This record gives sequence, C-alpha cells and structure tokens, in this order.
Amino acid sequence: GESVGLHLPTLSVQEGDNSIINCAYSNSASDYFIWYKQESGKGPQFIIDIRSNMDKRQGQRVTVLLNKTVKHLSLQIAATQPGDSAVYFCAETITGANSKLTFGKGITLSVRP
Amino acid sequence: DADVTQTPRNRITKTGKRIMLECSQTKGHDRMYWYRQDPGLGLRLIYYSFDVKDINKGEISDGYSVSRQAQAKFSLSLESAIPNQTALYFCATGGLAGTGELFFGEGSRLTVL
Repeated sequence: GESVGLHLPTLSVQEGDNSIINCAYSNSASDYFIWYKQESGKGPQFIIDIRSNMDKRQGQRVTVLLNKTVKHLSLQIAATQPGDSAVYFCAETITGANSKLTFGKGITLSVRP
Repeated sequence: DADVTQTPRNRITKTGKRIMLECSQTKGHDRMYWYRQDPGLGLRLIYYSFDVKDINKGEISDGYSVSRQAQAKFSLSLESAIPNQTALYFCATGGLAGTGELFFGEGSRLTVL
C-alpha cells in the first residue's frame, strides 16, 4: 500500500552544522507535505509545509525541498542548535474535503554540543 | 492554556478495563483526530471526525470507539483494554479543508497491565 517512510532512524550532528533529514513518499497523488517536530514529552508541532506546485520553501533556519520526480522530501536545518534535538516526522496528504495526513515513522535528531 | 487539551495525561490500567481518553479544543476547528504513537511506528490514525455528526475509522480502529460530543470535544474509548494498546495517544484538530496542518495535544500515555 501507499506509505511515507524515512531513510534513517537517527541523525547525530554537531552544534552549528547544517542538518538534512530525508523522507521518501510513495503516493504520487499526494499534493501537500508537512514536517513536524516532536520534542520529548510533547505533541508534534508544525515546522513547515510545501505544496506540490513548489520545489522549495524556506522558513526561519529551515528549508523544505520537494522532488516529485523521485518522490523525495527533505528538511534542512541551518546552524543546528541544541533546541533542535527532537523527533522529526514528514507527513503527506491529498488535499480536499476528506484530507487526512499520513505520517512517516520519524527520525531522531541529536545535536552534539 | 493549551489549544488542545487531553485528559488524563497518564493512566495505568489493567487488562479488561474500560478506559476513556478525552480531548477538548479551543481552536474552533471542525476536524478532530485520534492518533496512536508507538516507538518505531510513527503516528497511526485511529479515528477521525470532520464535524459533530461525522465519525470515520482510521487505519487501526479495531478495539477502539469514539464519541464526538460537541464541536470542541472528541473522546476515545477502549471498551476492554489489552496490553498491546499500551501506547502514547494524541488528539489533534485541523482547520480548513485542504490545508492539512494539524494541531496536537500533549498526549495521553496509557499503560495496560
């Protein structure tokens, strides 16, 4: 069946370096994608989204890239900080009246001081 | 105050007991969801509701039931809890159709002995 998956379960980066978190999705009909961040003991929180008519979207220190050809999504975090340590989820959906998000399994980002 | 409030935050119960997890929201959203989170499996959708008279099964609804008492309230019940329902449960709300973004509660950790 269709699924959203992440390539790596954990990622360890040095504070100050850039982080890249990757996600593969398999539903070619998906047209809206979101990255969520989940800190320990909390619910997931929205980071950034992108629609399928875009290839790149930038936020504050974060950039999401979408490659529809290979069905790949990535989240780039610039100058990674200790507060970025969390589990990151990608999610996909087909927008519309019955829109439901499908989440990937999550990847843990650990920032080394 | 949190926009999406879940109660209880933690609960330990025994096999066979009936458990209800409650969710209330102040965001005025029509859409409400219950997800289950297990290590390594990400977030899986249990049930969702697009308005007070609408209830839909998600991918793992067996063993669960829900009630949408009002626009702001969506409760999840386990009629007869079993140990493999031990998990972290999240309630979420969504706004306009098609935007996809969800707002999560802080989670309810359920342990079934």
